[in-house]
Amino acid sequence: KQEVTQIPAALSVPEGENLVLNCSFTDSAIYNLQWFRQDPGKGLTSLLLIQSSQREQTSGRLNASLDKSSGRSTLYIAASQPGDSATYLCAVKETSGSRLTFGEGTQLTVNP
Amino acid sequence: NAGVTQTPKFRVLKTGQSMTLLCAQDMNHEYMYWYRQDPGMGLRLIHYSVGEGTTAKGEVPDGYNVSRLKKQNFLLGLESAAPSQTSVYFCASSSETGPKLYNEQFFGPGTRLTVL
Repeated sequence: KQEVTQIPAALSVPEGENLVLNCSFTDSAIYNLQWFRQDPGKGLTSLLLIQSSQREQTSGRLNASLDKSSGRSTLYIAASQPGDSATYLCAVKETSGSRLTFGEGTQLTVNP
Repeated sequence: NAGVTQTPKFRVLKTGQSMTLLCAQDMNHEYMYWYRQDPGMGLRLIHYSVGEGTTAKGEVPDGYNVSRLKKQNFLLGLESAAPSQTSVYFCASSSETGPKLYNEQFFGPGTRLTVL
């Protein structure tokens, strides 16, 4: 059974700092990996999707990498801002179906 | 283009009552999903649908039923609500076909359900 783990569970940083969020998964047979952002009381907003054949994806200050063989992905946020404060979730889509398996998320707080 | 919408946003039920949650998407997606989100458990798939008229069980289907009579709508029903079904319910949709085949899932804003 696929398991997705995100470390750390919570992270607090000063504004302007570059930071890395980690995601690991137990079964490397994935189709893609998706990073989401969730604000308190809100739904999930898709940030980046990496296909299993890709190594990284970039969108603005965000860069996500994927090392499928080691079962790891990282989300790099450059020059963090207070508006980046949210919970970040990673999820993997398994090759055999269309379901997403989610990690429990990293709660990020960026202090002004 | 509203994306994925859910109604209602909040609901309080008494044990044993029934209700239906409605999800609608305007992106012409084939696949639709219902998840529940609980503290310490993450998001778990309840049921999903790969097209109009089809449904399939996910990870935690017990106590729920679903219907996909129209491509744009996916209904989640609770026949006899229990306190263990207190949760935040999210609907999502994705396209599994097309030139990009990215399969990105788009989520609705959620329904917060409390069962007393």
